[in-house]
Amino acid sequence: AQRVTQPEKLLSVFKGAPVELKCNYSYSGSPELFWYVQYSRQRLQLLLRHISRESIKGFTADLNKGETSFHLKKPFAQEEDSAMYYCALRGYQKVTFGIGTKLQVIP
Amino acid sequence: NAGVTQTPKFQVLKTGQSMTLQCAQDMNHNSMYWYRQDPGMGLRLIYYSASEGTTDKGEVPNGYNVSRLNKREFSLRLESAAPSQTSVYFCASSEVKGRSNEKLFFGSGTQLSVL
Repeated sequence: AQRVTQPEKLLSVFKGAPVELKCNYSYSGSPELFWYVQYSRQRLQLLLRHISRESIKGFTADLNKGETSFHLKKPFAQEEDSAMYYCALRGYQKVTFGIGTKLQVIP
Repeated sequence: NAGVTQTPKFQVLKTGQSMTLQCAQDMNHNSMYWYRQDPGMGLRLIYYSASEGTTDKGEVPNGYNVSRLNKREFSLRLESAAPSQTSVYFCASSEVKGRSNEKLFFGSGTQLSVL
């Protein structure tokens, strides 16, 4: 079985403050982890994937197999970062999502 | 560049009515998915199709059926709608190439209300 846990439904931070959206996973095989984002009135879209080790819009995420985590981080939050963020795990044939964390950046 | 197209965008049903949500992708993807999005529940997988001619249950398949009509199209049917099926439904597609983890492309969603 594959499972993704996002413990926070809502995270509020002030503009300029650091952001960390938590994601833990459970999977017996080698995981493929992603972060997807849904801005208001837009489609869900990929933010970043662990295999690329990239930084998108200032966000980074490191896969920690020991802690089975894939937390999303950004050093300085911007108002335009306000959105729903979903952590996702691709297992055999299917993709499982967490419940999502709503990030609210307060001006 | 249409990507993933879902129809309809909005639908209101009465309890017991049936309907089919349509989804088509023009990216020649093998894998297609149906998710429902509910507040506090996130995205839950209803059914998926890893390739043309195959379909499998996801986390919440009860009350739904699917058809992978061809490589492009993957429809979701509610045979007898219930208020618990009020949700936003998303279709998605992806390509898996070897061990490469490809991203999901999502449709714009169908907002369904069952009264």
